[in-house]
Amino acid sequence: DAGVTQSPTHLIKTRGQQVTLRCSPKSGHDTVSWYQQALGQGPQFIFQYYEEEERQRGNFPDRFSGHQFPNYSSELNVNALLLGDSALYLCASSLGFDNQPQHFGDGTRLSIL
Amino acid sequence: GESVGLHLPTLSVQEGDNSIINCAYSNSASDYFIWYKQESGKGPQFIIDIRSNMDKRQGQRVTVLLNKTVKHLSLQIAATQPGDSAVYFCAEMDSSYKLIFGSGTRLLVRP
Repeated sequence: DAGVTQSPTHLIKTRGQQVTLRCSPKSGHDTVSWYQQALGQGPQFIFQYYEEEERQRGNFPDRFSGHQFPNYSSELNVNALLLGDSALYLCASSLGFDNQPQHFGDGTRLSIL
Repeated sequence: GESVGLHLPTLSVQEGDNSIINCAYSNSASDYFIWYKQESGKGPQFIIDIRSNMDKRQGQRVTVLLNKTVKHLSLQIAATQPGDSAVYFCAEMDSSYKLIFGSGTRLLVRP
């Protein structure tokens, strides 16, 4: 039973560029949440997708956008990259969103030069 | 704002001893809490969860205690092993069902 998978594992971009990160949820899960984790800190919630719609958003600018596909996989897009966007981006999936455990992938390490 | 915090940033224990990691949360309306373990280069790994209608839940070598009166959560690891060395996060699920994480506690197991 495959867990949450994310691609790519590492990515290097320059300021001003755009990036797309991908996530496949754990089998049977229908909800995907994205988090940003800076070095030495806990994950910060970006947004959550359920039934192909963004149902909840954290305190992140509109440069961060996402999508969920009919097969429940998801993408995170970041435009106009800033140096401060360098972080580990984590995807978590769950069955539903109300008080259900979220299971994480190993993330995409994004470095901005 | 809402936050989840940890009392000790680093905990060093002898192999075989029991470990206790503590966490304070600020949102008294939170109904669901999760402990995660994160090893270097990996994503957070689900350890155990607890709902607000419980004050204790046990798993394999781990126990989570919830005290809603003082908004405190703890993770107890029995017979700590070298493989337990990692950063541990507590997370609370707020009323909109998003997880709020603390900054983590690093557990070091001495051989």
